[in-house]
Amino acid sequence: GENVEQHPSTLSVQEGDSAVIKCTYSDSASNYFPWYKQELGKGPQLIIDIRSNVGEKKDQRIAVTLNKTAKHFSLHITETQPEDSAVYFCAAVSSGSARQLTFGSGTQLTVLP
Amino acid sequence: TAGITQAPTSQILAAGRSMTLRCTQDMRHNAMYWYRQDLGLGLRLIHYSNTAGTTGKGEVPDGYSVSRANTDDFPLTLASAVPSQTSVYFCASSPEGGTATYEQYFGPGTRLTVT
Repeated sequence: GENVEQHPSTLSVQEGDSAVIKCTYSDSASNYFPWYKQELGKGPQLIIDIRSNVGEKKDQRIAVTLNKTAKHFSLHITETQPEDSAVYFCAAVSSGSARQLTFGSGTQLTVLP
Repeated sequence: TAGITQAPTSQILAAGRSMTLRCTQDMRHNAMYWYRQDLGLGLRLIHYSNTAGTTGKGEVPDGYSVSRANTDDFPLTLASAVPSQTSVYFCASSPEGGTATYEQYFGPGTRLTVT
């Protein structure tokens, strides 16, 4: 099955700086890669996703890049703000039954004011 | 719209007792999922249902059962709880078809402690 590794497990940045979180996946047939943000005591919230037919996608301060050859994808947050502090999870669709996501272990992002 | 609701919010359960975690969605999504979240392990799929009347096993199904009698509800049952089932449980749903096929939306979670 699919295996997703995520790094780093914790990340601290100064407000206004950029943050980058990286994930690798094992199943070359995976074709959908979402990113979730989870605030304390809440469920994960989908913030951006990318499909295998594109290499980059942006939404305001958030961008995701995908390198299918190397089987890795990254989340980029620019001009970070304190409200960006949360746990971020990457995921990939497994080659098993349709729509099953395999998640990375998460990155605790702290934006220091 | 409410989206996905889960009940209870939290529960302390004695080992050996049974419990059903409830999940209801009002988005008419065909697919629903149960995950457990443990520190350092991310979210792991327990069971899923691609459509009403069908269910399947995920990565960690042992000790859990599910049913999908209709589109909106997807209860998760622990027949005889053990301390290793202490976790936060999340229900999720996903629409079927089109470009949104893989998008999953999560409920607020149920924090379960088995003593």
